[in-house]
Amino acid sequence: GAGVSQSPSNKVTEKGKDVELRCDPISGHTALYWYRQSLGQGLEFLIYFQGNSAPDKSGLPSDRFSAERTGGSVSTLTIQRTQQEDSAVYLCASSLRRNQPQHFGDGTRLSIL
Amino acid sequence: GESVGLHLPTLSVQEGDNSIINCAYSNSASDYFIWYKQESGKGPQFIIDIRSNMDKRQGQRVTVLLNKTVKHLSLQIAATQPGDSAVYFCAEGRSSNTGKLIFGQGTTLQVKP
Repeated sequence: GAGVSQSPSNKVTEKGKDVELRCDPISGHTALYWYRQSLGQGLEFLIYFQGNSAPDKSGLPSDRFSAERTGGSVSTLTIQRTQQEDSAVYLCASSLRRNQPQHFGDGTRLSIL
Repeated sequence: GESVGLHLPTLSVQEGDNSIINCAYSNSASDYFIWYKQESGKGPQFIIDIRSNMDKRQGQRVTVLLNKTVKHLSLQIAATQPGDSAVYFCAEGRSSNTGKLIFGQGTTLQVKP
């Protein structure tokens, strides 16, 4: 399909392990966002990429979280030394430009044992 | 601090009736507002957006109203159908910002047949 694609859809890992989550945005979208959604809660902004500009990392909760976007397309979110409080659904969105409607993938459900 | 809140956590309506979901925002600098629908296990789905230079915008069966004076946003769904049952989120953003959205906690809409 032509929507935002995220993988894996589910990830279960042990506390202390590193995880890498992937996002394929809609083709041609220059803006890419990562959000986190805890059970029964709204979405919490993590990081934003726009073209070649410096990313807005203001939402990353700790230095264990990092993200990159290669070639202006695919993005990976990495969480190092995972903790139980990292358990959540991690959602990626893309938009044609910033301040345009963001379109979301179905997320990666991360469970830390 | 910034916050976007919803007045009711759950709204139950009869099939065929109109639904109104309300949202309050606190940041007067916000100039972009958007509604999403989220079904279980899926990512948020874009419904409709509105910018601060408008006070009403209509889509297919949906209308968004913006009252900047009291910082209130509402989503009206006409002739509500069982397929409309989901969690609805409002979100706010600022065009001077990176485009990141601040989400409310969500309202669950239940449609009774």
